[in-house]
Amino acid sequence: EPEVTQTPSHQVTQMGQEVILRCVPISNHLYFYWYRQILGQKVEFLVSFYNNEISEKSEIFDDQFSVERPDGSNFTLKIRSTKLEDSAMYFCASNPKEGPGELFFGEGSRLTVL
Amino acid sequence: GESVGLHLPTLSVQEGDNSIINCAYSNSASDYFIWYKQESGKGPQFIIDIRSNMDKRQGQRVTVLLNKTVKHLSLQIAATQPGDSAVYFCAENISQAGTALIFGKGTTLSVSS
Repeated sequence: EPEVTQTPSHQVTQMGQEVILRCVPISNHLYFYWYRQILGQKVEFLVSFYNNEISEKSEIFDDQFSVERPDGSNFTLKIRSTKLEDSAMYFCASNPKEGPGELFFGEGSRLTVL
Repeated sequence: GESVGLHLPTLSVQEGDNSIINCAYSNSASDYFIWYKQESGKGPQFIIDIRSNMDKRQGQRVTVLLNKTVKHLSLQIAATQPGDSAVYFCAENISQAGTALIFGKGTTLSVSS
């Protein structure tokens, strides 16, 4: 069964460092998302991406965040200068069609900022 | 502010019982709702969804009920199994606002044999 894959599964970084989280969405999907989940809390929307541009973004997704689809398969989330409060599980999700429908989530990348 | 939430953070049931997980939402403009299951260390997994033009939808062993009058959503799991143990999230969407899902805080379902 096709799945969304994410790397790394866990990254530890120092405050102020840049991190890139990588995702390979399901191959025929066109809509891509990043969500995050701070430990023990709810899942929060960050950004959606379609046709090589951001469709929507939340207040969390400030200038320190960026997304890119550098080739036909990868979808990346970059945090330019990490803060302690960026520590969370970051989930990539994809959808074959427009609309909020059934999102297919990856298993997440845990980011720990020290 | 938070617009989707769950009534109880935890629910413990015996194997074979029926489980009901509740969710309240505050935005009357929400027109799409979805339930996800999250097992430990994994990403959310789709269970069932419902649009606001319906009040009930059934899947395999699961039923979602939507009461728009009181802005309430519930997930019923029939004959709960140990494998159903997980955190359950409801999420809402306002289709006119885009495709982002707004998640509630989650209910941890524990099923004992």
